[in-house]
Amino acid sequence: QLQLQESGPGLVKPSETLSLACTVSGDSISSGPYSWGWIRQPPGKGLEWIGYIYKTGSTHYNPSLRSRVTISVDTSKNQFSLRLSSVTAADTAIYYCARRDGTLASLDPWGQGTLVTVSS
Amino acid sequence: QSALTQPASVSGSPGQSITISCTGTSSDVGSFKLVSWYQQHPGKVPKLIIYEATKRPSGVSNRFSGSKSGNTASLTVSALQAEDEADYYCSSYVASSAFVFGTGTKVTVL
Repeated sequence: QLQLQESGPGLVKPSETLSLACTVSGDSISSGPYSWGWIRQPPGKGLEWIGYIYKTGSTHYNPSLRSRVTISVDTSKNQFSLRLSSVTAADTAIYYCARRDGTLASLDPWGQGTLVTVSS
Repeated sequence: QSALTQPASVSGSPGQSITISCTGTSSDVGSFKLVSWYQQHPGKVPKLIIYEATKRPSGVSNRFSGSKSGNTASLTVSALQAEDEADYYCSSYVASSAFVFGTGTKVTVL
């Protein structure tokens, strides 16, 4: 059974860089027609797509975040990562990682999510 | 890209049917059948319940059904149950390999 688990600091200072990793277990991150994505949800608000990456390293980002986002993949660790620079309080959210079906564009499964708070 | 438009809230009594709309544009919902729906209970992880506009993943109740017409996709929940009370989000593929979520709909079972 495929599982995803986010990890990283729960508190980041304003203007610094948020860094999270998503570890995939139960299957190889290189298998199948899949990409690997990040989604966030500010407390009490809706979902926002951040971006996704293919096993080849090809990426697609939300235009509103593109200038601050980097998603990378490490197939040797079966892991992919998110970096979001110059964070502000508006970046406080639960961050989810998920597998994206490359053909169907659906997200399944999702990680449990990790709350990242931006505060000094 | 702008978020897809969903009603903020929809309610119904147990046993009734409700329908949630998801309105986009000709650049997303109108051009692709790649619409998905997610159910999120309070404090829980979103769960995929519909993909490719009308298909249900294995294990999802057949009380959930999806449809699409033009720039609008819809999710219907029939025979409403208390456990269906949750937030629902649509999503769509967008041209140039982008992706967009809907604004979300809170379903209340009266």
